[in-house]
Amino acid sequence: DAKTTQPTSMDCAEGRAANLPCNHSTISGNEYVYWYRQIHSQGPQYIIHGLKNNETNEMASLIITEDRKSSTLILPHATLRDTAVYYCIVTEGILTGGGNKLTFGTGTQLKVEL
Amino acid sequence: DVKVTQSSRYLVKRTGEKVFLECVQDMDHENMFWYRQDPGLGLRLIYFSYDVKMKEKGDIPEGYSVSREKKERFSLILESASTNQTSMYLCASIGQGPYEQYFGPGTRLTVT
Repeated sequence: DAKTTQPTSMDCAEGRAANLPCNHSTISGNEYVYWYRQIHSQGPQYIIHGLKNNETNEMASLIITEDRKSSTLILPHATLRDTAVYYCIVTEGILTGGGNKLTFGTGTQLKVEL
Repeated sequence: DVKVTQSSRYLVKRTGEKVFLECVQDMDHENMFWYRQDPGLGLRLIYFSYDVKMKEKGDIPEGYSVSREKKERFSLILESASTNQTSMYLCASIGQGPYEQYFGPGTRLTVT
């Protein structure tokens, strides 16, 4: 699986967009980009994933560069409840029987403040 | 909503004890996972199971075993707990669509 690089921490004002970058310069053609987040004392929560195209759902948008070597997770209107560690994961690793193996790094601690 | 539950939120055990961590999911998912999470190391995969009675080693299986007798239940076993197994343990499950893992709330295990 390709390695990812994320900033250790970021701050964002409440109501503003939070843009979380991820570098994955060694990504291969069949690897997906996943984003999860982990709020303190809870298990990780899936946010979004993509292969080549930009994706949007009710939680966030995912922008993947044309060369696929980096991506940005966008939370359009961050709230205090979005304070969490955000993990960018790149994997193609299909497990026996289906499902992707996810290797979580140390992520980005996003702090949303008033 | 998918629900993944773990038997305990907090557990304190002594060195050498046999420890069972239980995980139950209610969405008929085929794949289940056990991770541990330590500061500065992120989440690391211990074992996973893609069907009843099937299991495969993850990245750090040493000192652990697992059991999957029923589809909804996946147990992590520490045969002889050691202090370096003090950690947060997270269970997850995933259905046939391979895109989203659902995690339980975690069990914080302390081995003294």
